[in-house]
Amino acid sequence: DQQVKQNSPSLSVQEGRISILNCDYTNSMFDYFLWYKKYPAEGPTFLISISSIKDKNEDGRFTVFLNKSAKHLSLHIVPSQPGDSAVYFCAASVGEYGNKLVFGAGTILRVKS
Amino acid sequence: SQTIHQWPATLVQPVGSPLSLECTVEGTSNPNLYWYRQAAGRGLQLLFYSVGIGQISSEVPQNLSASRPQDRQFILSSKKLLLSDSGFYLCAWGDFYEQYFGPGTRLTVT
Repeated sequence: DQQVKQNSPSLSVQEGRISILNCDYTNSMFDYFLWYKKYPAEGPTFLISISSIKDKNEDGRFTVFLNKSAKHLSLHIVPSQPGDSAVYFCAASVGEYGNKLVFGAGTILRVKS
Repeated sequence: SQTIHQWPATLVQPVGSPLSLECTVEGTSNPNLYWYRQAAGRGLQLLFYSVGIGQISSEVPQNLSASRPQDRQFILSSKKLLLSDSGFYLCAWGDFYEQYFGPGTRLTVT
């Protein structure tokens, strides 16, 4: 049972344009959402997060939007840069004991120059 | 600042051999600690987590085990490796909601 889904395995975007990565979840108890970026053979790097009490959080070129009614969140990268090419993971937490994260399968982003 | 170390970076082991992967965290006290595995082309699967010394919770029944002998040390072990244990193993520490990952260990079981 995949509680966090990233339905697009890959995305290709031209440098300077917007990249939009999507994530859907099924568990309405999730109250915190995170995005991680991962390069090959490295550990994931925390990018940005959002609490369920917000619908938007912005940090530089990265913005995360949360639509609770649709159980959907998205990561916008503007403008996209070649160095953004990586795998992006969406994760969700229910804030329970141990604070476990549930990860999506990831989306490979390729930014073409 | 906090730093997380994992070793070794890569490991090739024959089927049936034992395994010990070590993770240490610097710059924080009493962190939540986690072991994840990423199989080829797949997402991150939580294997174990620990909220304190000697406290280990298992998420996936398998031939792996974890131990936390010290506050900032987390060890992943196996007595006999299977081919299906191959993957990229990641240790992470948690601060409230966010988790921060180590560099990972690439394990190939042959």
